Amino acid sequence: DQQVKQNSPSLSVQEGRISILNCDYTNSMFDYFLWYKKYPAEGPTFLISISSIKDKNEDGRFTVFLNKSAKHLSLHIVPSQPGDSAVYFCAASASGGSYIPTFGRGTSLIVHP
Amino acid sequence: DGGITQSPKYLFRKEGQNVTLSCEQNLNHDAMYWYRQDPGQGLRLIYYSQIVNDFQKGDIAEGYSVSREKKESFPLTVTSAQKNPTAFYLCASSPGQMTYEQYFGPGTRLTVT
Repeated sequence: DQQVKQNSPSLSVQEGRISILNCDYTNSMFDYFLWYKKYPAEGPTFLISISSIKDKNEDGRFTVFLNKSAKHLSLHIVPSQPGDSAVYFCAASASGGSYIPTFGRGTSLIVHP
Repeated sequence: DGGITQSPKYLFRKEGQNVTLSCEQNLNHDAMYWYRQDPGQGLRLIYYSQIVNDFQKGDIAEGYSVSREKKESFPLTVTSAQKNPTAFYLCASSPGQMTYEQYFGPGTRLTVT
């Protein structure tokens, strides 16, 4: 049973517009959330994270929002650029557990020029 | 230049052969991990090690084995018992047991025919 779900396998956006990637989780023990970006045939790289004590974290063009009551988080990319085209993985960890993240299946973002 | 190296990038084997994937890190990280990525499946944890000479099974350890004799090295052996070994294999490390962010290597694409 998937504990971290990314229900949209793919997303297509025009350059300059906002990209919104969504992630839902079921385990209420998760208290730290991360987004990773992955290009084909490469390893994922850490993008941004958020602790459950916050509801928003911003880093340049990337903002992550957390809605704990809905067990939902989203990654906003504004403005989107063609170089943002990649697979984005949502991951969740529990500080009371092993800290090892559970990953979603990923969303493939394509940003068209 | 600190980082994680995985070799080779591409590996081909015949069915029934064991094969060992290399993972080395010079980040002085205590913890290391092996993941498998299949299309549409996200990252699934095979094995992890939080300290030298100790390792734990992940979610899909069957058909795999590991060793952690040195802090910087965490090789993964894909045995003939693994029913579907063709996949993209990712090695990662993190500074210690109580850290969330993981650093990934470039991955090894294993094809078994």
